[in-house]
Amino acid sequence: DAGVIQSPRHEVTEMGQEVTLRCKPISGHDYLFWYRQTMMRGLELLIYFNNNVPIDDSGMPEDRFSAKMPNASFSTLKIQPSEPRDSAVYFCASSLRLSSPLHFGNGTRLTVT
Amino acid sequence: QQQVKQSPQSLIVQKGGIPIINCAYENTAFDYFPWYQQFPGKGPALLIAIRPDVSEKKEGRFTISFNKSAKQFSLHIMDSQPGDSATYFCAASMRSGGSNYKLTFGKGTLLTVNP
Repeated sequence: DAGVIQSPRHEVTEMGQEVTLRCKPISGHDYLFWYRQTMMRGLELLIYFNNNVPIDDSGMPEDRFSAKMPNASFSTLKIQPSEPRDSAVYFCASSLRLSSPLHFGNGTRLTVT
Repeated sequence: QQQVKQSPQSLIVQKGGIPIINCAYENTAFDYFPWYQQFPGKGPALLIAIRPDVSEKKEGRFTISFNKSAKQFSLHIMDSQPGDSATYFCAASMRSGGSNYKLTFGKGTLLTVNP
């Protein structure tokens, strides 16, 4: 079991550019979550999917953020256009069921200059 | 509004000491209280969790104490080791909604265990 795989590990981009973060959940897990971690706000849930369907996106900060899950083994989080305040570590996590332990990836550290 | 308040922000203990991290919550509907451990460059990993029908849960050197009336819970690490140095997050959610749903995290405690 390779765990949740995220790419890239680090992303540095300029303000206004499009950023795409990628996630491969653990095979067989029905739930996928995107979290953002900052010093000021801690860990915040952005959106979660069940069987590839977005269930709750109320944590997505703005329309500049979008997430997709085209199949059970892949999800993307896109920011367009990016802003310096989007700088954070973005985590993807998956779980077998909504009541099962969350398994986090190692995150993508995003820096927007 | 911060629904889960965690303290202290950082903690330094000597090897063998018993660090204690405290959390307080506001929402009385919360009924699932996990603790996550995060090492630098890694994602958080579930350490131990408790439900409010018990006052204490122990797994190895890690113990959660839960006080429902005070709406507080804490993590104790017995015989702490340098390898326990990490950031610890408490969290809370309403398990009836699925324990990972709207999991609210505390701000984290950076624990350093000196050899």
